[in-house]
Order: sequence, then structure tokens, then C-alpha cells
Amino acid sequence: DAGITQSPRHKVTETGTPVTLRCHQTENHRYMYWYRQDPGHGLRLIHYSYGVKDTDKGEVSDGYSVSRSKTEDFLLTLESATSSQTSVYFCAIRPGTGGDYNEQFFGPGTRLTVL
Amino acid sequence: DQQVKQNSPSLSVQEGRISILNCDYTNSMFDYFLWYKKYPAEGPTFLISISSIKDKNEDGRFTVFLNKSAKHLSLHIVPSQPGDSAVYFCAANSGGSYIPTFGRGTSLIVHP
Repeated sequence: DAGITQSPRHKVTETGTPVTLRCHQTENHRYMYWYRQDPGHGLRLIHYSYGVKDTDKGEVSDGYSVSRSKTEDFLLTLESATSSQTSVYFCAIRPGTGGDYNEQFFGPGTRLTVL
Repeated sequence: DQQVKQNSPSLSVQEGRISILNCDYTNSMFDYFLWYKKYPAEGPTFLISISSIKDKNEDGRFTVFLNKSAKHLSLHIVPSQPGDSAVYFCAANSGGSYIPTFGRGTSLIVHP
């Protein structure tokens, strides 16, 4: 158990509403990531963080923002949800040192439906 | 343009036989490769990795082979078991980067 939780696990919302997904880790790892998984597209990186208040964009960042005010929490916000953002969202963490340091540990996912 | 390609969206194998999942990459700077396994309604989990200084890495029933000249890697599962039925993602890293590039995944079904 890598100590990653995501909340909520499921959410249904309407187009135009703001949505915030939370990722919480107990491992105190520096690197955190948000991905979305869609059929035919695999895992696509939305945003990532390399420390508190240090974040950067991934390949599909349009329409998303993130914040990391504490090491343990990485928030993903959809300012105005659209139907194209219906997806399964995964948070991941990555140890910075030791062992297979390239390996990521993923959370259980959040299934978001935008109507 | 996909830098990591898993050209087979799905693969069906009989229990006890070998499963071979393939992955091709285009970026010659990639030097570390990983395979993840994903069950429905769960997050991906790390399975096995290989550095570009090796051409093979084995862990139990799972072996990853790397052919750098062909920019190709493959995951072999021997013998395949029904519990291996999952989506398998190939991922690649270049030195110093903490941003892996993922393939689109291959869905493996192992029939009893």
C-alpha cells in the first residue's frame, strides 16, 4: 500500500460547474502527478508537481489547474467542467530516491462524469 | 506523435501459454522502461522495469526484453494465468526526467 487516497471516488456534475479532486499521500514524496485515462488514449499527464507550490503542465492541461500547498495534498480543479472532461482521473506519486526510483505509485482513481 | 506505441489494443491467450506484449518507442533518449498492470476500477500498479544498459530483466513469471537497436521492448508472461487478465501499459523515461511517457495500453485476456 503506497498510501495514496483520492477523493471523491465518483462524481457526477453538470457542465459549467467547478470541480476539485483531491489526492492525498502519506509517504511525504516530492513528486505528484495527475493523469486522465480514456479509452484509446491510455494515461495522459495533466499536471505534475515537484514540490510544494512547484507545479507544471502536462500534455493535456487545458481546462485544468492544480495546487499544492502541502507536501501531502495535490488538488486538481476543473474551473468549468465540460463533457470532454468526463474521464477517470488518477493521481500518482514517485519516490525521489532509492530503489526503482522511476516507478510511480497510483491512487485508486476518481470517475468523473460531466453531464 | 506517439513516442511510445503499443500497437495491439488487445491480446487473447489460453491459460498456461505464453503472453507476449509488445511496445515500440521512437525517442532514442529513453533509457528506462517500465510495465504497469491495471485491473478494472483500480489504479495501475508497477510490474517490472528495465534499464537501457540491460537487454533482459526477469521477475518470476514476468520477463522484459529490450532491443535498443530496434527500439522495441516486450513483456513475456509464462505461464499465463487468468489473474493476469488486465490492461498493461508500457512507459519510458529519459535520463533525469521524472515525467514518463506512456503507451495506450494492451488489454490481455487469459482464458481458462
